Amino acid sequence: SAVISQKPSRDICQRGTSLTIQCQVDSQVTMMFWYRQQPGQSLTLIATANQGSEATYESGFVIDKFPISRPNLTFSTLTVSNMSPEDSSIYLCSAGTGLSETQYFGPGTRLLVL
Amino acid sequence: AQSVTQPDIHITVSEGASLELRCNYSYGATPYLFWYVQSPGQGLQLLLKYFSGDTLVQGIKGFEAEFKRSQSSFNLRKPSVHWSDAAEYFCAVGARGTYKYIFGTGTRLKVLA
Repeated sequence: SAVISQKPSRDICQRGTSLTIQCQVDSQVTMMFWYRQQPGQSLTLIATANQGSEATYESGFVIDKFPISRPNLTFSTLTVSNMSPEDSSIYLCSAGTGLSETQYFGPGTRLLVL
Repeated sequence: AQSVTQPDIHITVSEGASLELRCNYSYGATPYLFWYVQSPGQGLQLLLKYFSGDTLVQGIKGFEAEFKRSQSSFNLRKPSVHWSDAAEYFCAVGARGTYKYIFGTGTRLKVLA
């Protein structure tokens, strides 16, 4: 299994600002993903973070709002841009490891936008 | 359409009682099935997974789940619940090679002392 850490663990931000969330995996992984979990709801996949190329976004999510980087096989960032209160959510990073075909999740970043 | 349904939004059980959380799925391909647990303020922890083979799978913390293809179900069970099991439980389905999961809406478990 992979151990995943995220920074920050939580933040309170003002509308119109941007926040970058970091995700670090303790081993090289094939796939990395970013999810959003809105209050009281399930997880929604934002995008697949591709190493060395542009992320692949799911329907309803765009690069201008959620730019993602993945410079290597163990690290990725998600930026929530021009935030509004509707962006208040938990943002989770996950990683898929090799042949296990299983995703492991980070502890999440709890974001509150005022 | 691909979907995962967890019919029970909330479940309350007494400590020591047995537990069953329901999960039904609709998926075109042969599914990979997962159960995750999210404790308050925490991320998701993998409880167990089913890819193929024995339809009864054992997981961590004394949980097990049974895959029933004919019923498109993957219900999670525990014979005796502990107070520390209070959390939210998510069922997820994926396909081989994609790593992309569809999550259910979750079941929040409350345990009475």
